[in-house]
Amino acid sequence: DQQVKQNSPSLSVQEGRISILNCDYTNSMFDYFLWYKKYPAEGPTFLISISSIKDKNEDGRFTVFLNKSAKHLSLHIVPSQPGDSAVYFCAASRNDYKLSFGAGTTVTVRA
Amino acid sequence: SQTIHQWPATLVQPVGSPLSLECTVEGTSNPNLYWYRQAAGRGLQLLFYSVGIGQISSEVPQNLSASRPQDRQFILSSKKLLLSDSGFYLCAWSVWTAGQPQHFGDGTRLSIL
Repeated sequence: DQQVKQNSPSLSVQEGRISILNCDYTNSMFDYFLWYKKYPAEGPTFLISISSIKDKNEDGRFTVFLNKSAKHLSLHIVPSQPGDSAVYFCAASRNDYKLSFGAGTTVTVRA
Repeated sequence: SQTIHQWPATLVQPVGSPLSLECTVEGTSNPNLYWYRQAAGRGLQLLFYSVGIGQISSEVPQNLSASRPQDRQFILSSKKLLLSDSGFYLCAWSVWTAGQPQHFGDGTRLSIL
């Protein structure tokens, strides 16, 4: 049962523009949400997280938005840079140790 | 700072052979430890997690087992590999506080022939 879904397998964006990655979840018990970035042949790297008591969290070029009523979160990257080309995973947790991951979105930043 | 080491980076094994993948963490004590598998085009599936020495929880029934003989060592094993065990295996650690991010090693690409 896929509790975390990333419905866009890929995204292409021009350098300098905004990248918007989307994630939907089905379990209303999730209370932490995280985004990870992964390069080929490497492990995922933690990017940013948000607690369910917030609706926005910002860290430099990365901002995560949470809409609990819609069970939807998004990651905004502004401005997009060539080094941002990677696979991005959305993950969620129910106040325990375990994370449920989406299938990932491959971002390609064009020069 | 904390680091996580996972080896080997790639492994090719025949069907029916045993498996042992090792993961060690440095710079922290009593971490939570995790084994994940990523199949092609899929997300990360949690296989095992451990909150302490000798404490292993299995998330999915499978041909694999895990052990934690030391505080910062986590081992993934199999007695007889199947073709379906092919994939990218990732080890991760986190502190024991819920909601804290997990930090991943660089993974092992396992191919079964």
